[in-house]
Amino acid sequence: GAVVSQHPSRVICKSGTSVKIECRSLDFQATTMFWYRQFPKQSLMLMATSNEGSKATYEQGVEKDKFLINHASLTLSTLTVTSAHPEDSSFYICSARQQVPEAFFGQGTRLTVV
Amino acid sequence: AQSVAQPEDQVNVAEGNPLTVKCTYSVSGNPYLFWYVQYPNRGLQFLLKYITGDNLVKGSYGFEAEFNKSQTSFHLKKPSALVSDSALYFCAVRGTNDYKLSFGAGTTVTVRA
Repeated sequence: GAVVSQHPSRVICKSGTSVKIECRSLDFQATTMFWYRQFPKQSLMLMATSNEGSKATYEQGVEKDKFLINHASLTLSTLTVTSAHPEDSSFYICSARQQVPEAFFGQGTRLTVV
Repeated sequence: AQSVAQPEDQVNVAEGNPLTVKCTYSVSGNPYLFWYVQYPNRGLQFLLKYITGDNLVKGSYGFEAEFNKSQTSFHLKKPSALVSDSALYFCAVRGTNDYKLSFGAGTTVTVRA
């Protein structure tokens, strides 16, 4: 299957700083990438859909100014958590689709804000 | 609107016994159905999908799932479970014209030796 690489896998940052998470499709071009947030022992919550070369589409309740998404190329999307606070601590997962119906997921990023 | 229900939070089975993880769905039109597995602190790993055709779908690691349109179900099965199958399993659905996936709440499978 297609490979999606997410980096970093873990990050600890201080409250008030910004953190960037990268999501790369390694062996295919992804016109659409998705960013999810997962709370402990819960399902995935879609945060936003990222299309290459255009603005991301955010789900209701997700602050676009806090969670900046950039999809600059067909193989790279980034999520920047700006002015992070402890309540932003979570597991963030990206996924990407090519021309097949299923999506492929990155390894996830565990963000801890202290 | 589309949704997925996984009625069991946890499934416990002994190694070597059959494993079933239940999933029902709701979607407008024809569904694309998926099963994913997640190990601790990892992303989701694709197991199998139903798009069209045979109702019984075979996937990775000996897993299979049966699509039942009348019952709107897509249960995941494995004839003989392994301890290494212990993980969190997600069922997901989207309509054929939708781009967003909807996930179930997840089912934690524990296979005891």
